[in-house]
Amino acid sequence: SQTIHQWPATLVQPVGSPLSLECTVEGTSNPNLYWYRQAAGRGLQLLFYSVGIGQISSEVPQNLSASRPQDRQFILSSKKLLLSDSGFYLCAWSRARNQPQHFGDGTRLSIL
Amino acid sequence: GIQVEQSPPDLILQEGANSTLRCNFSDSVNNLQWFHQNPWGQLINLFYIPSGTKQNGRLSATTVATERYSLLYISSSQTTDSGVYFCAASTDRQGAQKLVFGQGTRLTINP
Repeated sequence: SQTIHQWPATLVQPVGSPLSLECTVEGTSNPNLYWYRQAAGRGLQLLFYSVGIGQISSEVPQNLSASRPQDRQFILSSKKLLLSDSGFYLCAWSRARNQPQHFGDGTRLSIL
Repeated sequence: GIQVEQSPPDLILQEGANSTLRCNFSDSVNNLQWFHQNPWGQLINLFYIPSGTKQNGRLSATTVATERYSLLYISSSQTTDSGVYFCAASTDRQGAQKLVFGQGTRLTINP
């Protein structure tokens, strides 16, 4: 069966520090991968998606970037965190279009 | 892009009651999913239902694609059903499915 892992589960970072969140999927190959952010406990917003290694699409302009160095690895990064980057970040995967997306347990990011 | 609206925003019920949550969407969809976010933040897949009706235990869902709405039914509610329920939809026909989420319905089941 397929599983998705995200880490860390929680993270507290100072303003201006760098960020790296990792997401890996097991049990499938060439998945579509996604990063979402949830602010204020309601509504998720799609940040990035990837249909293959090295292929990244951004949905909203922001202080963050994403990379896909391996088939089942998706990384969310920032060079300098802002207070507004606080939130709950969730990674998701799907096999192909017209298939459901499955979410990881998320990373709760607090910026001080 | 597609708009997704959920109602009601909040619902408080006693254990054992039944409930109906609604999701309206503004365009034809190729993906429609219902999720339950538990108090720990985990987003649990309930249904993948771009059209038709599905049932899973006490939960069932119906999507009427031609009228652009979906309903989630919860029968005989339990306290563990508490949390936020999200509907999410995508209109993408190729490539990745870019889900647009509604603002959710916060369900509280009191013992």
